[in-house]
Amino acid sequence: LAKTTQPISMDSYEGQEVNITCSHNNIATNDYITWYQQFPSQGPRFIIQGYKTKVTNEVASLFIPADRKSSTLSLPRVSLSDTAVYYCLVGDGPFGNEKLTFGTGTRLTIIP
Amino acid sequence: GAVVSQHPSWVICKSGTSVKIECRSLDFQATTMFWYRQFPKQSLMLMATSNEGSKATYEQGVEKDKFLINHASLTLSTLTVTSAHPEDSSFYICSARDTGGSNIQYFGAGTRLSVL
Repeated sequence: LAKTTQPISMDSYEGQEVNITCSHNNIATNDYITWYQQFPSQGPRFIIQGYKTKVTNEVASLFIPADRKSSTLSLPRVSLSDTAVYYCLVGDGPFGNEKLTFGTGTRLTIIP
Repeated sequence: GAVVSQHPSWVICKSGTSVKIECRSLDFQATTMFWYRQFPKQSLMLMATSNEGSKATYEQGVEKDKFLINHASLTLSTLTVTSAHPEDSSFYICSARDTGGSNIQYFGAGTRLSVL
């Protein structure tokens, strides 16, 4: 599994767009990038998954450059309820059965 | 997204007793489920991979006789913490891979275990 590196923590004000970048320099050709959100005392919640370029759903966007050595999770107009830990993981996505290894994650704090 | 139900959400037990935690995929079949452990302010640590109809695969350093895993059906995996001790107190989380659909791992809400 490719290792990932994320900022340990980030602060942002309500209403702003937040971008969390993850480095995965050793990503393999068949690896997908998946982001999860975790609130205290809860299991992680799937946010978004992508392979290349840009993916968007109702809660976030995921930007992946051509070399795929990094990815950026973008949260539009954050609110206090977005305060959580965000994990970036790489693995074999829709086609494999690889186990997920969680890194340290990014603790995002939204300030009123 | 798909729903994974984990029960109980919170349990207190005496030292030396055994505790069983259930993990169910409610609206999809999961041939593979995973069990994690998480300490306060730390990341999730994978304990074992649970495969339907076969033995679980444990990560290095995880005692298989201590943490018994059974995956008897395509929608249910159980983790039994045997002869629990205070150092087993932790937050246990299961996940299930939606192998018939997106193959995304969906997580249960977790079980807080406190051993007295």
